[in-house]
Amino acid sequence: QKEVEQDPGPLSVPEGAIVSLNCTYSNSAFQYFMWYRQYSRKGPELLMYTYSSGNKEDGRFTAQVDKSSKYISLFIRDSQPSDSATYLCAMNTYNQGGKLIFGQGTELSVKP
Amino acid sequence: DTEVTQTPKHLVMGMTNKKSLKCEQHMGHRAMYWYKQKAKKPPELMFVYSYEKLSINESVPSRFSPECPNSSLLNLHLHALQPEDSALYLCASSQDQAWASVSGEQYFGPGTRLTVT
Repeated sequence: QKEVEQDPGPLSVPEGAIVSLNCTYSNSAFQYFMWYRQYSRKGPELLMYTYSSGNKEDGRFTAQVDKSSKYISLFIRDSQPSDSATYLCAMNTYNQGGKLIFGQGTELSVKP
Repeated sequence: DTEVTQTPKHLVMGMTNKKSLKCEQHMGHRAMYWYKQKAKKPPELMFVYSYEKLSINESVPSRFSPECPNSSLLNLHLHALQPEDSALYLCASSQDQAWASVSGEQYFGPGTRLTVT
């Protein structure tokens, strides 16, 4: 079993839809949770960062962490064709020296 | 400014060549990373430098040799690579490695797309 599980998709939605992306994990020591967006043939771009449990909102993006269920989510409201990309969840603990554990990435396509 | 720059953007090299990848950040970050990413896979950590010292080596073959000349620069020297080493090589940086009081969220560069022939 992988430490971090993420549905690879692909996920296709119409423009304006609410998108929900999810990851589950097995290591209860994870404390820092990140979402990256990666366009084709580009480097990952940090979208959201959350410490421990709770919600964080930034514009159309909301990140949620539920440590009791070992489950994190990224919601995208009013999705746009420019949101079409691969979304990677990543997490680490303070005692792994910065090593990020990534999910497999979910490929999202937003159709006009 | 959260910019990490990498050069070159693309590199094609033969199996007997020696080349270097370069990475630079001016955010005052003290931790820098090299990752390798194959198509449709997440990045895989190769090396971590913290305060210009090698902190983590993920059992990477010796044909990859990292170097951190100063706190802003990170190089990856390549020698005698194999075709299976063809990938996107990503550099990242963070304020510090993730410790109890520091999240260590990492900012990635655009990558160098390497093809080994």
